[in-house]
Order: sequence, then C-alpha cells, then structure tokens
Amino acid sequence: EAGVTQFPSHSVIEKGQTVTLRCDPISGHDNLYWYRRVMGKEIKFLLHFVKESKQDESGMPNNRFLAERTGGTYSTLKVQPAELEDSGVYFCASSQGLQRNTEAFFGQGTRLTVV
Amino acid sequence: DAKTTQPNSMESNEEEPVHLPCNHSTISGTDYIHWYRQLPSQGPEYVIHGLTSNVNNRMASLAIAEDRKSSTLILHRATLRDAAVYYCILRDGRDFGNEKLTFGTGTRLTIIP
Repeated sequence: EAGVTQFPSHSVIEKGQTVTLRCDPISGHDNLYWYRRVMGKEIKFLLHFVKESKQDESGMPNNRFLAERTGGTYSTLKVQPAELEDSGVYFCASSQGLQRNTEAFFGQGTRLTVV
Repeated sequence: DAKTTQPNSMESNEEEPVHLPCNHSTISGTDYIHWYRQLPSQGPEYVIHGLTSNVNNRMASLAIAEDRKSSTLILHRATLRDAAVYYCILRDGRDFGNEKLTFGTGTRLTIIP
C-alpha cells in the first residue's frame, strides 16, 4: 500500500513568487493534516481537513497560505506570495476516519527554500 | 495539550536496550501518551501510544508510571536505524475527530556502533 506522498520533495523559489505543494494521503483516509518546521523551530500544526472540509485552521500563519482538498482526496497548500520566513519543511499526514487516537502517517515532506 | 519534558539528547550502544524518559506532570485523566520518531530526512513516524497500562508492539514498549506523571519508551535492542528524534506527545482523548499533534523538541537519540 502506498504511503503519504508529497510533491515536490524540494522547491527553491524567489521571494514574492507562488509555490504550490501537493499531498496525496493514504487511500481511504478522511483526515489530512499539514504541518511545517521552519528553521530551528519545532514541528507546528497548520491545519486539518476531514474529507474536503477544513476542520481546524488555527495553525495557518496568515492569509498568504491557502489549503484546499477538492473531492476529499489529495490536498494542495499554496503560498502566495512567498516570504523568506516561509522557508522550511512542510509535512503532510493522514489518518483514518473519526476514531480516537488513530495513528497518523506522515509523508517525507517538501523542503521549501525562499531566496 | 499538556506539556511534556524530554532530555535533549541521549546516546546508546548498538544492540543494547534504550530507555527514553518523558515527564508530563500536568497530564489530565483523558490525555493519551503518544510517541513518534523522526528519522533523518523523513517525516515523523508513529511508534506507540497508551493511556494507563504498559503497552508493547513490534517497535517498542511503553512503560507508564502509576501516577501517569511520567513514561518511558523502551527500545529493547537498539539498531543504527533507531537513530532519530523521539517525541513524547500528549493528546486529549476527548478531542474526538481532531488528531492534531503538538510536537516539542524531542530527544535526539544517537546509536553508537
């Protein structure tokens, strides 16, 4: 069974440009999460989808970040315009439906560098 | 989520057991104790979780203190592949449907060949 996959694995963009990260969760997983680790900091939660609906957006840093999950399958995270402080590793995770304490499966992450 | 405290780093010899401690003195009765680890250049990976009783799985064992204010992740026979950052995370079991994880700084485990 395929795990959580993220594209691209690396992205280098200039300040002010737009970047779109993609996450394909494990098939059948209703929950999809985005996290990120910026330089020298801890891994931080960004947001949580249940199917196509945003359940919790409390970790989104500002309105330059837009996440979508059309059809409740894959998700995209767009950063527009990108700033230097957005550099870091962005992780996607998925888990099964509404059950307590299910295991979260993480992708390998997308390393974003804004120059 | 309640806060956890872990040592910044630990070292262990290959093929020996490793005991990774975690303090969570403010744990509530509904908090589950989860452990994840992050291998180099990979995303976090689930290891184990428990509520009150000790737990065992193919990867590790979780020993939970009787007062639940601390726990220990036990790797029975460390291999080089176990070198990673280990995170102890508390999750409120009442957060039905919201499984977000609050990562701390974790413990960086180094395995000495």
